[in-house]
Amino acid sequence: AQKVTQAQTEISVVEKEDVTLDCVYETRDTTYYLFWYKQPPSGELVFLIRRNSFDEQNEISGRYSWNFQKSTSSFNFTITASQVVDSAVYFCALHYNNNDMRFGAGTRLTVKP
Amino acid sequence: EAQVTQNPRYLITVTGKKLTVTCSQNMNHEYMSWYRQDPGLGLRQIYYSMNVEVTDKGDVPEGYKVSRKEKRNFPLILESPSPNQTSLYFCASSFSWGYNSYNEQFFGPGTRLTVL
Repeated sequence: AQKVTQAQTEISVVEKEDVTLDCVYETRDTTYYLFWYKQPPSGELVFLIRRNSFDEQNEISGRYSWNFQKSTSSFNFTITASQVVDSAVYFCALHYNNNDMRFGAGTRLTVKP
Repeated sequence: EAQVTQNPRYLITVTGKKLTVTCSQNMNHEYMSWYRQDPGLGLRQIYYSMNVEVTDKGDVPEGYKVSRKEKRNFPLILESPSPNQTSLYFCASSFSWGYNSYNEQFFGPGTRLTVL
């Protein structure tokens, strides 16, 4: 079965701390895409990154970095030196079977000043 | 401005009263999709459309209908809403979709629906 698990329901950190959001996925497909989206308190969904199943290179974008490991079926997201503006719900998602999309339940991150 | 719009943004209705949530995109995207977001469940796909007159069920299609008569519009229809359809609904679009021609999905602002 296709599944995305975000085991951390809520995380709270103090500003400037590093924080890692975990994402574990299950799929039988050999070709698939993985995503992270951010949902700030205003409610919209903001695309952060996509990664295809053949590209295991880690990616860094400013304070954000992503670690994709096929061996453990994980696609974890790290925010370095967190800021209050990073407070949001973060969703990991799996695009599989060419057309289908499955989201995790989300992790609510609160960054306190 | 390139965007996906949804109307209404908020709706309170009663059980059994048919309603339509509109979704429109101005980016000439082929692919459109509807999701519902519920606490602890993330987003679940209701229906999607690869192009005009082509629609397919997602994970949770029961109780919903869609149509794609024009490229820009993809309305979500609840023929007889029930309280378990109380949720936050998102429409999304993409230039194309599928492994060979993948593009990012753009999401609308969401419609919060309450069915009493």
